[in-house]
Amino acid sequence: DSGVTQTPKHLITATGQRVTLRCSPRSGDLSVYWYQQSLDQGLQFLIHYYNGEERAKGNILERFSAQQFPDLHSELNLSSLELGDSALYFCASSVDLAVNQPQHFGDGTRLSIL
Amino acid sequence: AQSVTQLDSQVPVFEEAPVELRCNYSSSVSVYLFWYVQYPNQGLQLLLKYLSGSTLVKGINGFEAEFNKSQTSFHLRKPSVHISDTAEYFCAVTPHTDKLIFGTGTRLQVFP
Repeated sequence: DSGVTQTPKHLITATGQRVTLRCSPRSGDLSVYWYQQSLDQGLQFLIHYYNGEERAKGNILERFSAQQFPDLHSELNLSSLELGDSALYFCASSVDLAVNQPQHFGDGTRLSIL
Repeated sequence: AQSVTQLDSQVPVFEEAPVELRCNYSSSVSVYLFWYVQYPNQGLQLLLKYLSGSTLVKGINGFEAEFNKSQTSFHLRKPSVHISDTAEYFCAVTPHTDKLIFGTGTRLQVFP
């Protein structure tokens, strides 16, 4: 158990819809990272938050947004969903900003677009 | 820009045999290197990391990796694998920035 909790585990929805994925980091971790894992794109970094502030963006679409709340949990919002958004979305947390710190991954949310 | 190449998408091996999973990276700056493992229906777990110093890094579950700067490689090895090592293995690099750049993964399949 990594200590990172992601909900829900599975989401099935239709094209054009909007969903919210939630992540609770390990106790004491200030950094939250979001990743997308798909068969064609592999594991892609989406966005990084540290103590409530956005730190870095990766291959995140404009239809996607995220935030980190004062209690340090984070949400990833996906809107105007397309079939190609079907993927496994991971959240990871680490203690601080130092990039040499290991990232602890949750078990992911599997998003299926019908 | 940085990139990671995992040369083998699948590696089949018999139990108790040695295994090497290959990883090459491309970067014009120095990087930190990591190996993560993903068991079925789970998130990624850190196996080991290279930050600096000794080029031979030991990790969990008996795995080790060797950083070779001249060949820009960071191959993962285990002298004797178990059935429980069956999983997907990801090599990743970071150029000392916020994001990890992952390879496409190598599926290790251990047969009895």
